Amino acid sequence: AQSVTQLGSHVSVSEGALVLLRCNYSSSVPPYLFWYVQYPNQGLQLLLKYTSAATLVKGINGFEAEFKKSETSFHLTKPSAHMSDAAEYFCAVSGETGANNLFFGTGTRLTVIP
Amino acid sequence: DAGITQSPRHKVTETGTPVTLRCHQTENHRYMYWYRQDPGHGLRLIHYSYGVKDTDKGEVSDGYSVSRSKTEDFLLTLESATSSQTSVYFCAISDSGSSNQPQHFGDGTRLSIL
Repeated sequence: AQSVTQLGSHVSVSEGALVLLRCNYSSSVPPYLFWYVQYPNQGLQLLLKYTSAATLVKGINGFEAEFKKSETSFHLTKPSAHMSDAAEYFCAVSGETGANNLFFGTGTRLTVIP
Repeated sequence: DAGITQSPRHKVTETGTPVTLRCHQTENHRYMYWYRQDPGHGLRLIHYSYGVKDTDKGEVSDGYSVSRSKTEDFLLTLESATSSQTSVYFCAISDSGSSNQPQHFGDGTRLSIL
């Protein structure tokens, strides 16, 4: 079975500070991993995805994530937080079935302090 | 944004009543999914469809049924709603069942069952 664990349900950073959101995965097969962002009263928007082409993945809005197999991690980072980054972030791993089912973490709410 | 429309966006109903949520897409994608989002649980898959009249269960399918009579529409039905089904429901679509392909989400339906 596949799963992801997001450490920290709430993270607060100052504007301009480094953003680090943690995600660890469990998978019996080489995983495909995704980060999504959810703004209030909206659906989920894809930030970036790891599909084994490169371990460092760049996404939208200045976010990036690094796949580390030895640590089973896929942490999301951004060098300098902006007020508009305040949202909830979800890490997800794709399933082993042929239907591309996603398994989501419980989410991390990011607050940016002015 | 992917052409996904969920209706209604908000609904309040009483325990024991039937409820149907609709997901409509204009992308001609083969795969469609229904998730529910609850605090502390992230998103969990209810049912998915891999083609017209082809559906399968997800992680939390009890109490829900689905139908897909056309490529563009995927209906989620609660035959007899219970308070535990109060949640935010998201529809997602994907053009492939390959695990490296992202899903694209609608804006959600907020359902309250009193």
